[in-house]
Amino acid sequence: KQEVTQIPAALSVPEGENLVLNCSFTDSAIYNLQWFRQDPGKGLTSLLLIQSSQREQTSGRLNASLDKSSGRSTLYIAASQPGDSATYLCAVTRGWDSGAGSYQLTFGKGTKLSVIP
Amino acid sequence: ETGVTQTPRHLVMGMTNKKSLKCEQHLGHNAMYWYKQSAKKPLELMFVYNFKEQTENNSVPSRFSPECPNSSHLFLHLHTLQPEDSALYLCASSLLLGTPNYEKLFFGSGTQLSVL
Repeated sequence: KQEVTQIPAALSVPEGENLVLNCSFTDSAIYNLQWFRQDPGKGLTSLLLIQSSQREQTSGRLNASLDKSSGRSTLYIAASQPGDSATYLCAVTRGWDSGAGSYQLTFGKGTKLSVIP
Repeated sequence: ETGVTQTPRHLVMGMTNKKSLKCEQHLGHNAMYWYKQSAKKPLELMFVYNFKEQTENNSVPSRFSPECPNSSHLFLHLHTLQPEDSALYLCASSLLLGTPNYEKLFFGSGTQLSVL
Protein backbone atom coordinates (compact mmCIF):
# COMPACT_ATOMS: atom_id res chain seq x y z
CA LYS A 1 0.00 0.00 0.00
CA GLN A 2 1.34 3.40 -1.01
CA GLU A 3 2.23 5.76 1.82
CA VAL A 4 3.13 9.41 1.38
CA THR A 5 5.03 11.32 4.06
CA GLN A 6 5.60 15.05 4.20
CA ILE A 7 8.23 16.63 6.38
CA PRO A 8 8.07 18.96 8.18
CA ALA A 9 4.44 19.04 9.31
CA ALA A 10 4.71 22.77 9.88
CA LEU A 11 7.20 25.43 8.90
CA SER A 12 7.50 29.10 9.77
CA VAL A 13 9.88 31.35 7.82
CA PRO A 14 10.49 35.09 7.46
CA GLU A 15 9.37 36.80 4.29
CA GLY A 16 11.86 36.65 1.43
CA GLU A 17 13.45 33.37 2.43
CA ASN A 18 13.82 30.48 0.00
CA LEU A 19 12.43 27.21 1.32
CA VAL A 20 12.07 23.53 0.50
CA LEU A 21 9.18 21.21 1.31
CA ASN A 22 9.78 17.48 1.23
CA CYS A 23 7.62 14.56 0.14
CA SER A 24 8.51 10.87 0.17
CA PHE A 25 6.56 7.85 -1.04
CA THR A 26 7.04 4.15 -0.45
CA ASP A 27 6.08 2.65 -3.83
CA SER A 28 8.10 4.03 -6.74
CA ALA A 29 5.67 2.61 -9.32
CA ILE A 30 3.87 5.91 -9.74
CA TYR A 31 2.26 7.47 -12.79
CA ASN A 32 2.78 11.06 -11.63
CA LEU A 33 3.15 13.30 -8.60
CA GLN A 34 1.28 16.50 -7.85
CA TRP A 35 1.71 19.36 -5.44
CA PHE A 36 -1.41 21.12 -4.19
CA ARG A 37 -2.06 24.18 -2.09
CA GLN A 38 -4.90 24.39 0.42
CA ASP A 39 -5.99 27.57 2.16
CA PRO A 40 -7.84 27.25 5.51
CA GLY A 41 -11.37 25.90 5.08
CA LYS A 42 -10.97 25.73 1.33
CA GLY A 43 -10.46 23.14 -1.36
CA LEU A 44 -7.20 22.22 -3.03
CA THR A 45 -5.56 24.03 -5.91
CA SER A 46 -3.20 22.11 -8.17
CA LEU A 47 0.21 23.82 -8.36
CA LEU A 48 2.46 21.47 -10.29
CA LEU A 49 2.14 18.02 -11.84
CA ILE A 50 5.23 15.96 -12.66
CA GLN A 51 4.89 12.91 -14.87
CA SER A 52 6.91 9.85 -13.85
CA SER A 53 9.21 10.36 -16.85
CA GLN A 54 10.02 13.95 -15.86
CA ARG A 55 12.54 15.26 -13.34
CA GLU A 56 11.06 18.65 -12.56
CA GLN A 57 8.41 21.25 -13.28
CA THR A 58 8.49 24.99 -12.76
CA SER A 59 5.77 27.59 -12.37
CA GLY A 60 6.80 31.11 -11.41
CA ARG A 61 8.56 31.00 -8.04
CA LEU A 62 7.76 27.31 -7.59
CA ASN A 63 9.95 24.42 -8.68
CA ALA A 64 9.10 20.79 -8.02
CA SER A 65 11.55 17.95 -8.54
CA LEU A 66 10.98 14.22 -8.67
CA ASP A 67 13.39 11.37 -7.99
CA LYS A 68 11.23 8.34 -8.58
CA SER A 69 13.92 5.77 -7.81
CA SER A 70 14.48 7.13 -4.32
CA GLY A 71 10.79 7.89 -3.76
CA ARG A 72 11.26 11.60 -3.16
CA SER A 73 9.99 14.94 -4.35
CA THR A 74 10.76 18.48 -3.24
CA LEU A 75 8.85 21.71 -3.70
CA TYR A 76 11.12 24.74 -3.78
CA ILE A 77 9.57 28.16 -3.14
CA ALA A 78 11.77 31.13 -3.97
CA ALA A 79 11.53 34.50 -2.26
CA SER A 80 8.60 33.51 -0.05
CA GLN A 81 5.74 35.96 0.54
CA PRO A 82 3.02 36.14 3.22
CA GLY A 83 0.52 35.14 0.52
CA ASP A 84 2.30 31.80 0.24
CA SER A 85 1.04 30.88 3.72
CA ALA A 86 -1.09 27.75 3.28
CA THR A 87 -0.91 23.99 3.60
CA TYR A 88 0.97 22.26 0.80
CA LEU A 89 0.01 18.70 -0.04
CA CYS A 90 1.84 16.15 -2.11
CA ALA A 91 -0.05 13.36 -3.89
CA VAL A 92 1.05 10.42 -6.01
CA THR A 93 -1.08 8.48 -8.41
CA ARG A 94 -0.82 5.01 -9.78
CA GLY A 95 -2.94 6.22 -12.65
CA TRP A 96 -6.10 4.88 -14.22
CA ASP A 97 -6.27 1.15 -14.87
CA SER A 98 -9.19 0.86 -17.26
CA GLY A 99 -9.03 -2.93 -17.20
CA ALA A 100 -9.42 -3.10 -13.45
CA GLY A 101 -11.53 0.03 -13.27
CA SER A 102 -9.11 1.21 -10.63
CA TYR A 103 -7.90 4.69 -9.76
CA GLN A 104 -5.58 5.53 -6.88
CA LEU A 105 -4.41 8.93 -5.72
CA THR A 106 -2.62 8.94 -2.37
CA PHE A 107 -2.08 12.15 -0.41
CA GLY A 108 0.35 13.12 2.31
CA LYS A 109 -0.84 14.96 5.42
CA GLY A 110 0.65 18.20 4.18
CA THR A 111 3.07 20.83 5.39
CA LYS A 112 1.56 23.95 6.94
CA LEU A 113 3.62 26.94 5.87
CA SER A 114 3.55 30.31 7.58
CA VAL A 115 5.49 33.19 6.02
CA ILE A 116 6.03 35.97 8.54
CA PRO A 117 6.05 39.56 7.20
CA GLU B 1 -13.25 30.12 -8.33
CA THR B 2 -12.27 26.72 -9.64
CA GLY B 3 -15.54 26.02 -11.46
CA VAL B 4 -16.56 23.39 -8.91
CA THR B 5 -19.29 24.50 -6.50
CA GLN B 6 -20.26 22.67 -3.34
CA THR B 7 -23.29 23.28 -1.16
CA PRO B 8 -23.82 23.71 1.67
CA ARG B 9 -20.52 25.14 2.93
CA HIS B 10 -21.30 24.11 6.48
CA LEU B 11 -23.64 21.45 7.85
CA VAL B 12 -24.46 20.37 11.38
CA MET B 13 -26.55 17.26 11.74
CA GLY B 14 -27.66 14.81 14.37
CA MET B 15 -26.91 11.13 14.14
CA THR B 16 -30.46 10.30 13.08
CA ASN B 17 -30.76 12.96 10.37
CA LYS B 18 -30.68 12.49 6.63
CA LYS B 19 -28.95 15.12 4.55
CA SER B 20 -27.33 15.48 1.14
CA LEU B 21 -24.23 17.25 -0.07
CA LYS B 22 -24.27 18.66 -3.58
CA CYS B 23 -21.47 19.28 -6.06
CA GLU B 24 -21.77 20.95 -9.43
CA GLN B 25 -19.11 21.61 -12.06
CA HIS B 26 -19.24 23.72 -15.20
CA LEU B 27 -15.87 22.75 -16.61
CA GLY B 28 -17.07 20.18 -19.12
CA HIS B 29 -15.46 17.38 -17.11
CA ASN B 30 -16.67 13.81 -17.10
CA ALA B 31 -15.06 12.41 -13.96
CA MET B 32 -16.11 13.41 -10.47
CA TYR B 33 -14.80 12.46 -7.03
CA TRP B 34 -15.69 12.61 -3.36
CA TYR B 35 -12.87 13.01 -0.83
CA LYS B 36 -12.94 13.11 2.96
CA GLN B 37 -10.48 15.28 4.89
CA SER B 38 -10.30 14.65 8.62
CA ALA B 39 -8.11 16.51 11.05
CA LYS B 40 -4.56 15.18 11.14
CA LYS B 41 -5.24 12.52 8.50
CA PRO B 42 -4.43 12.47 4.79
CA LEU B 43 -7.12 13.20 2.27
CA GLU B 44 -9.07 9.98 1.65
CA LEU B 45 -10.65 9.08 -1.68
CA MET B 46 -14.23 7.90 -1.16
CA PHE B 47 -15.87 7.53 -4.57
CA VAL B 48 -15.00 8.02 -8.23
CA TYR B 49 -17.46 8.42 -11.08
CA ASN B 50 -16.20 8.19 -14.63
CA PHE B 51 -18.85 9.48 -17.03
CA LYS B 52 -21.64 8.77 -14.51
CA GLU B 53 -20.41 5.24 -13.81
CA GLN B 54 -19.08 4.55 -10.34
CA THR B 55 -15.63 3.10 -10.73
CA GLU B 56 -14.32 3.29 -7.19
CA ASN B 57 -15.83 2.75 -3.79
CA ASN B 58 -12.96 2.90 -1.36
CA SER B 59 -14.52 0.70 1.35
CA VAL B 60 -16.83 3.49 2.39
CA PRO B 61 -19.59 2.62 4.92
CA SER B 62 -23.07 2.32 3.48
CA ARG B 63 -24.27 5.31 5.51
CA PHE B 64 -22.62 7.33 2.72
CA SER B 65 -24.48 6.94 -0.57
CA PRO B 66 -23.25 8.71 -3.71
CA GLU B 67 -25.35 9.65 -6.70
CA CYS B 68 -24.21 10.97 -10.07
CA PRO B 69 -27.24 11.74 -12.25
CA ASN B 70 -25.15 13.38 -14.99
CA SER B 71 -21.57 14.46 -15.61
CA SER B 72 -22.10 17.88 -14.07
CA HIS B 73 -23.69 16.92 -10.77
CA LEU B 74 -22.64 14.74 -7.89
CA PHE B 75 -24.42 14.12 -4.60
CA LEU B 76 -23.46 12.47 -1.35
CA HIS B 77 -26.46 11.28 0.64
CA LEU B 78 -25.87 10.95 4.37
CA HIS B 79 -27.89 9.01 6.93
CA THR B 80 -27.33 7.79 10.49
CA LEU B 81 -23.84 9.22 10.60
CA GLN B 82 -21.44 8.90 13.52
CA PRO B 83 -19.51 11.71 15.26
CA GLU B 84 -16.28 10.37 13.71
CA ASP B 85 -17.73 11.21 10.29
CA SER B 86 -17.26 14.89 11.07
CA ALA B 87 -14.83 16.19 8.46
CA LEU B 88 -14.41 18.40 5.42
CA TYR B 89 -15.95 16.68 2.39
CA LEU B 90 -14.40 17.74 -0.87
CA CYS B 91 -15.69 17.24 -4.37
CA ALA B 92 -13.37 17.28 -7.37
CA SER B 93 -13.68 16.87 -11.11
CA SER B 94 -11.38 16.11 -14.01
CA LEU B 95 -11.38 15.13 -17.62
CA LEU B 96 -12.50 11.58 -18.40
CA LEU B 97 -10.24 9.03 -16.75
CA GLY B 98 -7.67 7.71 -19.17
CA THR B 99 -7.79 10.72 -21.51
CA PRO B 100 -4.89 13.21 -21.74
CA ASN B 101 -4.49 15.44 -18.67
CA TYR B 102 -7.15 13.61 -16.68
CA GLU B 103 -4.80 13.71 -13.69
CA LYS B 104 -5.34 17.42 -13.09
CA LEU B 105 -8.06 17.70 -10.46
CA PHE B 106 -10.21 20.73 -9.78
CA PHE B 107 -11.56 20.89 -6.24
CA GLY B 108 -14.54 22.62 -4.73
CA SER B 109 -14.27 24.50 -1.42
CA GLY B 110 -15.82 21.65 0.49
CA THR B 111 -18.62 21.09 2.98
CA GLN B 112 -17.56 21.23 6.63
CA LEU B 113 -19.71 18.59 8.30
CA SER B 114 -20.25 18.28 12.03
CA VAL B 115 -22.16 15.27 13.38
CA LEU B 116 -23.50 15.72 16.90
